[in-house]
Amino acid sequence: EVQLVESGGGLVKPGGSLRLSCAASLFTFRSYSMNWVRQAPGKGLEWVSSISSSSSSIYYADSVKGRFTISRDNAKNSLFLQMNSLSAEDTAVYYCARSASIIRGGMDVWGQGTAVTVSS
Amino acid sequence: EIVLTQSPATLSLSPGERATLSCRASQSVSSYLAWYQQKPGQAPRLLIYDASNRATGIPARFSGSGSGTDFTLTISSLEPEDFAVYYCQQRNNWPQTFGQGTKVEIK
Repeated sequence: EVQLVESGGGLVKPGGSLRLSCAASLFTFRSYSMNWVRQAPGKGLEWVSSISSSSSSIYYADSVKGRFTISRDNAKNSLFLQMNSLSAEDTAVYYCARSASIIRGGMDVWGQGTAVTVSS
Repeated sequence: EIVLTQSPATLSLSPGERATLSCRASQSVSSYLAWYQQKPGQAPRLLIYDASNRATGIPARFSGSGSGTDFTLTISSLEPEDFAVYYCQQRNNWPQTFGQGTKVEIK
């Protein structure tokens, strides 16, 4: 079964850093754009970042620009999100999701999410 | 940033009834709008992409329509498993944005 599995979440102090990973299996990872979407407790979905299949195009939400960095390793079928200068507003479940295109279409496969809590 | 406004916030219906959910964009997103379903404790699931295309494995009772700024998700006859929160998302402009969600609850 096509699958995405996130890891790396946890409890971190304000100002701290965390690196999320997303492992892909049973599909041709290098052919897909990838995305991070987060959901704060009890809230709706918020798009965070997207990266094209070759990493040539990268986009960030204004709320994370300059603090978060998305990257991918197509040889290892993995997606990453480096998160720095974390604040309480970054507390959320973070999902990785694939899409056939970096724009348009839809995000058709999602991971189960990894929880990030920013608290002192 | 394009703002997506979903209405109503909550829809109370009985199984077998028809559900009509609306998503309005603050400016045109052409036909590049997607719909997702999310149940408690689960990841979102793609239902509709590019306004009217059903994703793989999505039952025919789900349909999408619209273009420009006004979009509709219709569930022709609600099944018990359809009670959930539904989100629209535009992928035509950066930053991509989601609507605030419509909760479809059992009446």
